[in-house]
Amino acid sequence: QVHLVQSGTEVKKPGASMKISCKASGYAFTSFHIHWVRQAPGQGLEWMGLLNTLSGGKNYAQKFQGRVTMTRDTSTSTVYLELSSLRSEDTAIYYCAKDLTPASGSAPEFWGSGTLVTVSS
Amino acid sequence: SYELTQPPSVSVSPGQTARITCSGEALPKKVAFWYQHKSGQAPVLVIYDDIKRPSGIPERFSGSSSGTMATLIISGAQVEDDADYYCYSGDENDEHVAFGGGTRLTVL
Repeated sequence: QVHLVQSGTEVKKPGASMKISCKASGYAFTSFHIHWVRQAPGQGLEWMGLLNTLSGGKNYAQKFQGRVTMTRDTSTSTVYLELSSLRSEDTAIYYCAKDLTPASGSAPEFWGSGTLVTVSS
Repeated sequence: SYELTQPPSVSVSPGQTARITCSGEALPKKVAFWYQHKSGQAPVLVIYDDIKRPSGIPERFSGSSSGTMATLIISGAQVEDDADYYCYSGDENDEHVAFGGGTRLTVL
């Protein structure tokens, strides 16, 4: 049974950085890419990027280029999302999601429960 | 960037058929995916590759695609289908992916 367990709520000041985690279990970790998606209050889902858990390769949405870093630790089946220079507009629930298709970035299939990050002075 | 356009809201009575559309330039060549998202819960994939239904998703959920429009169809909508629905797809060159803006489905 697939599980994606995300780290807990965070509160950050503007200008700071965040690093949240997503620990996977129940499947072959390096066989499926991981997506990161966020939802700001009252807004829709926003795709942030994709991490190839086997090679470590990344594909970031243009909007976040220069501010986002996605990494993984294959020894613990954990992926990480770092976002720097935080501003109030980054207040959101951040979701990790396992890809539908092995070794392909087709689409998110199974989602974690989300991590709430609040950016406030 | 790439844009997918959905109607902000759709409303049906229980037992009626709900249709939610998603418009995108690349949809004649790229498949669409559909997600159900209820407040406080993780999104759930309900349709993939335009028309396929993951295991565990009720048969009343189906999908279609024609030209630049993909459609999520809920036949005989139930009160528990009341949720936000998002389409997801990519551009023709696989350079950008996007979610649609979301459609609030009200069943009452």
